[in-house]
Amino acid sequence: GAVVSQHPSWVICKSGTSVKIECRSLDFQATTMFWYRQFPKQSLMLMATSNEGSKATYEQGVEKDKFLINHASLTLSTLTVTSAHPEDSSFYICSANRGRNTEAFFGQGTRLTVV
Amino acid sequence: AQSVAQPEDQVNVAEGNPLTVKCTYSVSGNPYLFWYVQYPNRGLQFLLKYITGDNLVKGSYGFEAEFNKSQTSFHLKKPSALVSDSALYFCAVSAMDTGRRALTFGSGTRLQVQP
Repeated sequence: GAVVSQHPSWVICKSGTSVKIECRSLDFQATTMFWYRQFPKQSLMLMATSNEGSKATYEQGVEKDKFLINHASLTLSTLTVTSAHPEDSSFYICSANRGRNTEAFFGQGTRLTVV
Repeated sequence: AQSVAQPEDQVNVAEGNPLTVKCTYSVSGNPYLFWYVQYPNRGLQFLLKYITGDNLVKGSYGFEAEFNKSQTSFHLKKPSALVSDSALYFCAVSAMDTGRRALTFGSGTRLQVQP
């Protein structure tokens, strides 16, 4: 089956620093990838849609300057949490669809802890 | 706007008994419905989907779900639960035919299977 790989699995960073999370589609090309955030014991909330070769589309309430998304190739999207603060601590998950009308494949998720 | 409701935070069932995890949805256009399972600190694993066709959908690990258009439901079922089925289950919907492939998730239901 299709595989989406996310790296790192977990990261601890100091307040004020930036953290980059990578999402790769390993055996298919993805013109669109999605970034979700999950708070403890809560559901996944869509943050943004990453579009290859163009700007990401952010959901309402998500700061685009805070969460920078780059989709430079058909197999890689990155999410950079800039000037991280403790309230940014969360579980971030990416997904991609192999094709139209197919299920989404999810990365393993990244546990970000800002201290 | 689309939404998903999972009315039960937790479902408890004895091993060997049938299980049902409930899901209802609201979406404009044709619904594309999914069930995913999440283990602690992991991404989501795809279980099954309804796009079109037979209302009864069979998926991974013996799970199945029935699409009921009149009740706008997509309940997850399994005839005989295993302890290893204990996990967090998410129902999700998208309206791909409107071009929005991002998923809207329910709040999740924790399934606890007792030996």
